[in-house]
Amino acid sequence: DQQVKQNSPSLSVQEGRISILNCDYTNSMFDYFLWYKKYPAEGPTFLISISSIKDKNEDGRFTVFLNKSAKHLSLHIVPSQPGDSAVYFCAASEDQTGANNLFFGTGTRLTVIP
Amino acid sequence: ETGVTQSPTHLIKTRGQQVTLRCSSQSGHNTVSWYQQALGQGPQFIFQYYREEENGRGNFPPRFSGLQFPNYSSELNVNALELDDSALYLCASSAGTHYGYTFGSGTRLTVV
Repeated sequence: DQQVKQNSPSLSVQEGRISILNCDYTNSMFDYFLWYKKYPAEGPTFLISISSIKDKNEDGRFTVFLNKSAKHLSLHIVPSQPGDSAVYFCAASEDQTGANNLFFGTGTRLTVIP
Repeated sequence: ETGVTQSPTHLIKTRGQQVTLRCSSQSGHNTVSWYQQALGQGPQFIFQYYREEENGRGNFPPRFSGLQFPNYSSELNVNALELDDSALYLCASSAGTHYGYTFGSGTRLTVV
């Protein structure tokens, strides 16, 4: 039972434009959400996170939006750069302290075209 | 400051065999989690160790077991390997918070 879903396996965007990656979840107990980026032959790298008490968190070119009522979050990358090309995983946890496991989505492969 | 290192990087085993995967945590990190990532899937939580004690377990059978040592390095052991155990195994260490998780590059296990 996939509790975190990324329904778009791939996304292509022109350099300089906005990339929007989407994620849906089913578990209402999730309290903390994260995005990870993964390059081939490397482990996932933490990108940005958001607590359930917020609806937006911004870090440079990256912004995560959370809509708790819709159980939906999205990652916006503006402007997109070729170096952003990677697989992006959405993850969620019931615990903000790190004591519980992370539930990951299946990933979205982003390709930024120069 | 070194990151998380995993060994070996690749491994081929025969069905029914046993395997041990190793992880060296990032300096200062006392929590380690192991994840299994099957092809085309996201990582799935196997278990977590905190100060040498198991601190949570995902939906994996008992033939998946682990250890954490006093220096916070860790092992994942899988007995009676099955073909479906073929996957990338990721180790992640943390000082205790999710945003502090650092993942290793993983061990690619192939069971034939």
